[in-house]
Amino acid sequence: DQQVKQNSPSLSVQEGRISILNCDYTNSMFDYFLWYKKYPAEGPTFLISISSIKDKNEDGRFTVFLNKSAKHLSLHIVPSQPGDSAVYFCAASGASNFNKFYFGSGTKLNVKP
Amino acid sequence: DGGITQSPKYLFRKEGQNVTLSCEQNLNHDAMYWYRQDPGQGLRLIYYSQIVNDFQKGDIAEGYSVSREKKESFPLTVTSAQKNPTAFYLCATASGSPYNEQFFGPGTRLTVL
Repeated sequence: DQQVKQNSPSLSVQEGRISILNCDYTNSMFDYFLWYKKYPAEGPTFLISISSIKDKNEDGRFTVFLNKSAKHLSLHIVPSQPGDSAVYFCAASGASNFNKFYFGSGTKLNVKP
Repeated sequence: DGGITQSPKYLFRKEGQNVTLSCEQNLNHDAMYWYRQDPGQGLRLIYYSQIVNDFQKGDIAEGYSVSREKKESFPLTVTSAQKNPTAFYLCATASGSPYNEQFFGPGTRLTVL
């Protein structure tokens, strides 16, 4: 049973516009959430994270929003750039075993010039 | 240059042979992980280790084995019992403290002929 879900396998946006990637989770014990970016045949790179005591975290063009009541988080990229084209994974961990991370299936973002 | 080394980048083996994938880190991280990624799929956890001489099965441990004799090293053996071993294998590390991200290696593409 997948505890972290990314229901959109792909997303296409125009350069300069906003990209919104969504992620849902089922385990209410998760208290730390992360977003990774992955290019083909490479390892994922960490983008941004948020703990459950916050509802928003911003880093440059990237902002993560957390809605605990809905068990939903989203990554906003503004403005989107062609170099942002990659697969984005969300991940979660919980205090009961903070060393174990649960990943979503990924969303492939295509930013068109 | 600090980081995670996975070698080789591409590995070919004949069906029925065991093969060991290397993962070395100099980040002084306590936790190490092995994930598998298949085309169009997310990251699936094979094994992880939170400390030297200890490791736990992930979601898809069947047909794989690991050891953690040194903090810096976490080799993964793909045995002949693994039915579909051809995949992209990713090693990751984490500090072992709460609310910290994982770092990923560049990956090894294993092809079993």
